[in-house]
Amino acid sequence: DAGVIQSPRHEVTEMGQEVTLRCKPISGHDYLFWYRQTMMRGLELLIYFNNNVPIDDSGMPEDRFSAKMPNASFSTLKIQPSEPRDSAVYFCASRHNTEAFFGQGTRLTVV
Amino acid sequence: GQSLEQPSEVTAVEGAIVQINCTYQTSGFYGLSWYQQHDGGAPTFLSYNALDGLEETGRFSSFLSRSDSYGYLLLQELQMKDSASYFCAVNNAGNMLTFGGGTRLMVKP
Repeated sequence: DAGVIQSPRHEVTEMGQEVTLRCKPISGHDYLFWYRQTMMRGLELLIYFNNNVPIDDSGMPEDRFSAKMPNASFSTLKIQPSEPRDSAVYFCASRHNTEAFFGQGTRLTVV
Repeated sequence: GQSLEQPSEVTAVEGAIVQINCTYQTSGFYGLSWYQQHDGGAPTFLSYNALDGLEETGRFSSFLSRSDSYGYLLLQELQMKDSASYFCAVNNAGNMLTFGGGTRLMVKP
């Protein structure tokens, strides 16, 4: 397996634009997590899914953020409209047992 | 909610031993994990403790005391490549995985 795949690796966008981040988890993993990492806030859990169903989205900052998992092999995190304070590295991770595997992340810059 | 506390920075010399502590507050605790992250990279799994005691994996060991809500990561025979950030994470009710703020380890020659 190629591991958790995230796209794009880098995204630069203007304030107010819609941003969509994508994640392909490892096949057979039943949990998928979205995290945001910044120097100030560390690694924050935004939302996680179990068998494609959102379990806890209490970490989603506000209504501008939304996440979907239409099937076991794909998830998206959307920000609409984006703001400069959304600039961060966004990680997707998948897990079957105790070990979570992270993608390489998407570095988002909102100018 | 849950909270995890770990030191923000630790410095040690090559060949030494270093211990990174983690205290946590959470409900429905299942286990404590440790992850390593090099600058510019993604977190990678190091260890998981569900029961009290010490788990050893090569130069790295991890300890858990459930009664004290405390754990630590022990790194022995430090190498320059061990310079990275180390995160403790709790696995709790619903299999949520929540991370601490991370400890930046600097290994000096």
